[in-house]
Amino acid sequence: DIQMTQSPSSLSASVGDRVTITCRASQSISTYLNWYQHKPGKAPRLLIYAASNLQSGVPSRFSGSGSGTDFTLTISSLQPEDFAIYYCQQNYNIPYTFGQGTNVDIK
Amino acid sequence: QVQLQESGPGLVKPSETLSLTCTVSGGSISSYYWSWIRQPPGKGLEWIGHIYSSGSTNYNPSLKSRVTISADTSKNQVSLKLSSEIVADTAVYYCARMVAGSYYYMDVWGKGTTVTVSS
Repeated sequence: DIQMTQSPSSLSASVGDRVTITCRASQSISTYLNWYQHKPGKAPRLLIYAASNLQSGVPSRFSGSGSGTDFTLTISSLQPEDFAIYYCQQNYNIPYTFGQGTNVDIK
Repeated sequence: QVQLQESGPGLVKPSETLSLTCTVSGGSISSYYWSWIRQPPGKGLEWIGHIYSSGSTNYNPSLKSRVTISADTSKNQVSLKLSSEIVADTAVYYCARMVAGSYYYMDVWGKGTTVTVSS
């Protein structure tokens, strides 16, 4: 299985901060990498697909980059509704695997 | 707007079979893949498997011997069966629609249903 490792596991930030989350794959996955946002009790939400493509309806403050084994999710200016857990996920190989999550909370 | 709703028993006894249903509204299940994903308490997300509307399936090898995913196009539903339940199967179970083209991604998710395995 391809292991996905996110860092940090958690971070505290303020509204307006620029936030960067990284995801590393245990082998090259080209750009077969998606990012999801998850709030407790709610359905996970797709933010970015294929490493850098913004899903329809997602605010432009979210962006993704990377290829191969190293990927980044950036929130350019953190908003109150962005406090959540963020997961990366590879769909290069079955079984599809997720990172352990990054909890973004209020400083 | 496509919406997914998972349903099933909240409590299952060890060694029994868990059966969950994902009802799709606002769109057809045809021409898409449908995934099941779970999240045990305090842990991350685990992909269980998926089915294409035609019936072809792929499963996580770690669960393959115990999992069956099926689709009923007449009811617009996707189902998950997980046999020989163990306490480690306690989790929130999600269904999700997966777009498959040049890239694969899960663009619509249900809110999840909690399953507890306990005697």
